[in-house]
Amino acid sequence: EAQVTQNPRYLITVTGKKLTVTCSQNMNHEYMSWYRQDPGLGLRQIYYSMNVEVTDKGDVPEGYKVSRKEKRNFPLILESPSPNQTSLYFCASSSQHASNQPQHFGDGTRLSIL
Amino acid sequence: GQQVMQIPQYQHVQEGEDFTTYCNSSTTLSNIQWYKQRPGGHPVFLIQLVKSGEVKKQKRLTFQFGEAKKNSSLHITATQTTDVGTYFCADLYGQNFVFGPGTRLSVLP
Repeated sequence: EAQVTQNPRYLITVTGKKLTVTCSQNMNHEYMSWYRQDPGLGLRQIYYSMNVEVTDKGDVPEGYKVSRKEKRNFPLILESPSPNQTSLYFCASSSQHASNQPQHFGDGTRLSIL
Repeated sequence: GQQVMQIPQYQHVQEGEDFTTYCNSSTTLSNIQWYKQRPGGHPVFLIQLVKSGEVKKQKRLTFQFGEAKKNSSLHITATQTTDVGTYFCADLYGQNFVFGPGTRLSVLP
């Protein structure tokens, strides 16, 4: 089954403790992306990747890092999480370039930073 | 940077009534994608509009792209309880997607 898998689904942690949210897709998609969703603000793009070893900043990249060493994986790293990064995070992928292709979203990761 | 706006923010309708959400921008929109997110779920792609004046239909859903490519709309005819959720439009700005804040639809049985 074609899917985007995120882990963990839920995480409560403390300020400053490094964490990684994994994202994996089995559709051989080139384009992958991370979003955060906050009430009233919709989805805001954090980082995206157009292919292996190619990553770029979205609208809200501060405090986040990503890597794309393999085509299927696109982890999101919070080196020193802060409470303002408490949010619902979605990973998404699409084939080739983002244009003209639908994005497939994972089920989301709810992060709470205390 | 690019800003995409949606109105209304919330809409409550009685089952069977029609519903419309509007997506607009002060600058020209590139490719508009529409997504639906059920409560507790993830966004699911509905459709993409590319051409000026384009109209596409999916059963009870009608999607339009404005002639000047500065707005788009999603219209649902005779809403059902299964239509409940938040509807987002997204524009491809350069290399990244910019989503509108969404319209949350409630359907009262």
